[in-house]
Amino acid sequence: DGGITQSPKYLFRKEGQNVTLSCEQNLNHDAMYWYRQDPGQGLRLIYYSQIVNDFQKGDIAEGYSVSREKKESFPLTVTSAQKNPTAFYLCASKGFVQPQHFGDGTRLSIL
Amino acid sequence: AQTVTQSQPEMSVQEAETVTLSCTYDTSESDYYLFWYKQPPSRQMILVIRQEAYKQQNATENRFSVNFQKAAKSFSLKISDSQLGDAAMYFCAYTDTDTGTASKLTFGTGTRLQVTL
Repeated sequence: DGGITQSPKYLFRKEGQNVTLSCEQNLNHDAMYWYRQDPGQGLRLIYYSQIVNDFQKGDIAEGYSVSREKKESFPLTVTSAQKNPTAFYLCASKGFVQPQHFGDGTRLSIL
Repeated sequence: AQTVTQSQPEMSVQEAETVTLSCTYDTSESDYYLFWYKQPPSRQMILVIRQEAYKQQNATENRFSVNFQKAAKSFSLKISDSQLGDAAMYFCAYTDTDTGTASKLTFGTGTRLQVTL
């Protein structure tokens, strides 16, 4: 079945540590997105990519980095510069005419 | 910048009854797309319904329908014959374009729907 796989489901970060969240899709979608979800704030866009080797900042990109070396993969790195990383992170992908399709998410917590 | 407002943090409905969730938005665009997404306790985001602004007809998907009032910038979701499985967070979302790869969604803050027996 086609879909989006996010891993891990739960992730813990120590102070000063970078962590990487994985997002893989087999839907052959060109566009991929990363959102952050905090209680009471809905989803906010971190980064998005319309094509391989290209990506743009969203509304809250500070403290995050991404890469898009393959069409199927769009990993998100939460760097030590992100001072409040505890949140639920959702990855999505989109085809040319299809709406955005979401993965199951990763919950990141601070140790 | 576009904004999406959901003014009802929580709603409750009895099983088999009808409930309406509200959403308003702000945009200067004439063509755009609106969505309702459902997020059950599993946290996955599930598309419920999609509305294209240039279409006058309100979208429907089985028990789910919308009341799209373009002039008022209002986009409410009606759930008929509510079921226990409808209990979830519901998010209203907006985008200027839904074709191509440049689509970015702006979300509201969500409405938590409880379904009681």
